[in-house]
Amino acid sequence: QQPVQSPQAVILREGEDAVINCSSSKALYSVHWYRQKHGEAPVFLMILLKGGEQKGHEKISASFNEKKQQSSLYLTASQLSYSGTYFCGITGNQFYFGTGTSLTVIP
Amino acid sequence: DTAVSQTPKYLVTQMGNDKSIKCEQNLGHDTMYWYKQDSKKFLKIMFSYNNKELIINETVPNRFSPKSPDKAHLNLHINSLELGDSAVYFCASSQAQVYEAFFGQGTRLTVV
Repeated sequence: QQPVQSPQAVILREGEDAVINCSSSKALYSVHWYRQKHGEAPVFLMILLKGGEQKGHEKISASFNEKKQQSSLYLTASQLSYSGTYFCGITGNQFYFGTGTSLTVIP
Repeated sequence: DTAVSQTPKYLVTQMGNDKSIKCEQNLGHDTMYWYKQDSKKFLKIMFSYNNKELIINETVPNRFSPKSPDKAHLNLHINSLELGDSAVYFCASSQAQVYEAFFGQGTRLTVV
């Protein structure tokens, strides 16, 4: 039931790009993305409500493929502040967070 | 004003004790949640309440019980605490399940 994210962990240098994937075994009605910094609570990034929808937030954007039951988060020109653990969250008949992706940006 | 506040922030207790964690939101949201985050960072939903009705109840031990005195509060009671209950517990709220969730600061529970 819990969506699976890949990769589990990624290390980037400042300015590099990354893609985080979220796959579900269940039909999706919406996908949320959150970022959690160490020792803090998760913070909402964006929500995608329709299949095929793409949304952007600064240099972070996401896509939602309803047919494939997948969502991807795109981080471009990464900054040190992007470091943290990223979670997708899916709503079907219930709400579940994904397995998480630890992203570390180094100078 | 803090949108979602939970207390205490840290809780250290012995096995077998009973403890409660309080959560309050001042956002006027209809839905509140409790999540458990283990040492591997997995965020597992435990309960959610919508207008004082339990709408999600994952397979958590019945030692855990949510109590909602009103729409703005969702407290978590834990009986007979076990070592495996050690984790960070987050309270959250949202207008509805499909909308953005706001999280409290978390309560780090350590059972010794």
